[in-house]
Amino acid sequence: GAVVSQHPSRVICKSGTSVKIECRSLDFQATTMFWYRQFPKQSLMLMATSNEGSKATYEQGVEKDKFLINHASLTLSTLTVTSAHPEDSSFYICSASPRTSMSGGELFFGEGSRLTVL
Amino acid sequence: DAKTTQPNSMESNEEEPVHLPCNHSTISGTDYIHWYRQLPSQGPEYVIHGLTSNVNNRMASLAIAEDRKSSTLILHRATLRDAAVYYCILSRPSLMNRDDKIIFGKGTRLHILP
Repeated sequence: GAVVSQHPSRVICKSGTSVKIECRSLDFQATTMFWYRQFPKQSLMLMATSNEGSKATYEQGVEKDKFLINHASLTLSTLTVTSAHPEDSSFYICSASPRTSMSGGELFFGEGSRLTVL
Repeated sequence: DAKTTQPNSMESNEEEPVHLPCNHSTISGTDYIHWYRQLPSQGPEYVIHGLTSNVNNRMASLAIAEDRKSSTLILHRATLRDAAVYYCILSRPSLMNRDDKIIFGKGTRLHILP
């Protein structure tokens, strides 16, 4: 089946630095990818919708200047956490779908990237 | 806001069937019902989805109420590996995909007792 891969799976950084997380669709093209954040014992929270060739759409309360999203190709979207602080420590998950019709097919998720900001 | 409601947690004995309920009273005619599950420290995994008719696959069955306002995920024979958080989600696909975002509710944490 279709696979979505994230890299890195774990990252530790110092406060004030920037961290980039990659999300790749390995065997399908995805014009749209989604980025989620998940804190311990909580559900996934949608951060933004990444659209290939155009600006990302951010959910209310998510700072677009802090969480930079780039979707430069049909198989790659990147999330950059700029000037990271300890409160940005979280599990970041991306998802994508090969859907191009009204079929309502499944959504595929990456393995997640755990960010720890010291 | 999530458009589904699920019990916070459920328990089941190993090798017994499990029925996970989900209410979605505000479902629209074009909404698909999706189920995903998430094991600890992993991304969610697709389980099953459907529109109106009941669905079966190798992992589970999905029973959809006639009025579509509720559904039940059925694990026919639970194993310890089925212990996870199960999310019931509504998805409204579009040709452009741009509005078809998946909003997660709190899900049901399923505990399997050996």
